[in-house]
Amino acid sequence: SQQGEEDPQALSIQEGENATMNCSYKTSINNLQWYRQNSGRGLVHLILIRSNEREKHSGRLRVTLDTSKKSSSLLITASRAADTASYFCATDARGNNRLAFGKGNQVVVIP
Amino acid sequence: DVKVTQSSRYLVKRTGEKVFLECVQDMDHENMFWYRQDPGLGLRLIYFSYDVKMKEKGDIPEGYSVSREKKERFSLILESASTNQTSMYLCASKVRDRFNQPQHFGDGTRLSIL
Repeated sequence: SQQGEEDPQALSIQEGENATMNCSYKTSINNLQWYRQNSGRGLVHLILIRSNEREKHSGRLRVTLDTSKKSSSLLITASRAADTASYFCATDARGNNRLAFGKGNQVVVIP
Repeated sequence: DVKVTQSSRYLVKRTGEKVFLECVQDMDHENMFWYRQDPGLGLRLIYFSYDVKMKEKGDIPEGYSVSREKKERFSLILESASTNQTSMYLCASKVRDRFNQPQHFGDGTRLSIL
């Protein structure tokens, strides 16, 4: 099955800096979603971008989608220590309610 | 807010035991999912269900079965637990036939098989 792949795998930044993560995928999609996972917890949905959208904002989050390159990026602006987590992209490739997840991207925000 | 509740946060069982992991959601969602999460492998879909008594295999169903007798509850069963099933198990739910809706996850069950 298709999987998203995040890049870079691990990121360490100072509080207040911006964090950018990228995700690539292989097949056509209906939408792409980003999730956050705090250590030892479940995944929390952050933002969903549809295949006909190019950019979406939610608070300090900005997501872009380039379907021609089959890639997406997640930008967290003005990072906080509470943003320390793993971030996953997931693609809905066939609209059949199944998601294909990437392996995750660990972000550490240093106070 | 959607709430997905997994019955145990931590569970320790022995090889060969039959293990039940329970998941309940309170939003009348039709679709429910079971994943396992392992370091370096990400989330992998074990089984999902799109209605009561309906189930469909995911990517790694071997060694597992599921039960969906009521809409709100989705159980994952390890028929005869083995050490390679030690993992974090995550349950999720989603409203049906709405392509652009997210999945909602429980807090996970960390299962150790000794």
